[in-house]
Amino acid sequence: QVQLVESGGGVVQPGRSLRLSCAASGFTFSNYGMHWVRQAPGKGLEWVALIWYDGTNKYYADSVKGRFTISRDNSKNTLYLQMNSLRAEDTAVYYCARDLQQLWYDFWGQGTLVTVSS
Amino acid sequence: SSELTQDPAVSVALGQTVRITCQGDSLRTYYASWNQQKPGQAPVLVIYGKNNRPSGIPDRFSGSSSGNTASLTITGAQAEDEADYYCNSRDSSGNLNWVFGGGTKLTVL
Repeated sequence: QVQLVESGGGVVQPGRSLRLSCAASGFTFSNYGMHWVRQAPGKGLEWVALIWYDGTNKYYADSVKGRFTISRDNSKNTLYLQMNSLRAEDTAVYYCARDLQQLWYDFWGQGTLVTVSS
Repeated sequence: SSELTQDPAVSVALGQTVRITCQGDSLRTYYASWNQQKPGQAPVLVIYGKNNRPSGIPDRFSGSSSGNTASLTITGAQAEDEADYYCNSRDSSGNLNWVFGGGTKLTVL
């Protein structure tokens, strides 16, 4: 069965960096685009970034453009999110999700919490 | 970028039918999906496209679309359907973005 397991969250000071990982199993990872989606405490879902199945194209929400970088290692079945210049408003649970037809998300991980605080 | 608008809260009596709606310009171009999220859990896809249910989703969940409005209907709501429901679609404004509605909290009475 499809499994997505995020890791790398934690407490970080404003301006610092953090890298999230998402380990995928149960499907051919290299055949699918992958997204990061976040959810601030008590708030709704916000799309963050998408990477194509082969890593050739990447798209970002305006709120993270220039600060976050999505990448993947298909040999390790792992998705990454490098987050730099973190701000308090980046505090959220970060989910990785498998892309469905570049329109929707068909499987989600359990999420990892990132808290940006001094 | 485009926005999707949902009613913040909806309630339904146990066993009755409820419709949750999502409005936005992008829905004139792209079908929505619906994601169910229970407290402390990750979202789960329940409906996508014209009216497609992933494996394991009960057939009491159905979707429809007309103009700029997508709808999720639960026919015979169960206690376990109490959750937040988020619609989403691709942005049609020319930006390569994906957008979510603000979510609807469904209470089953």
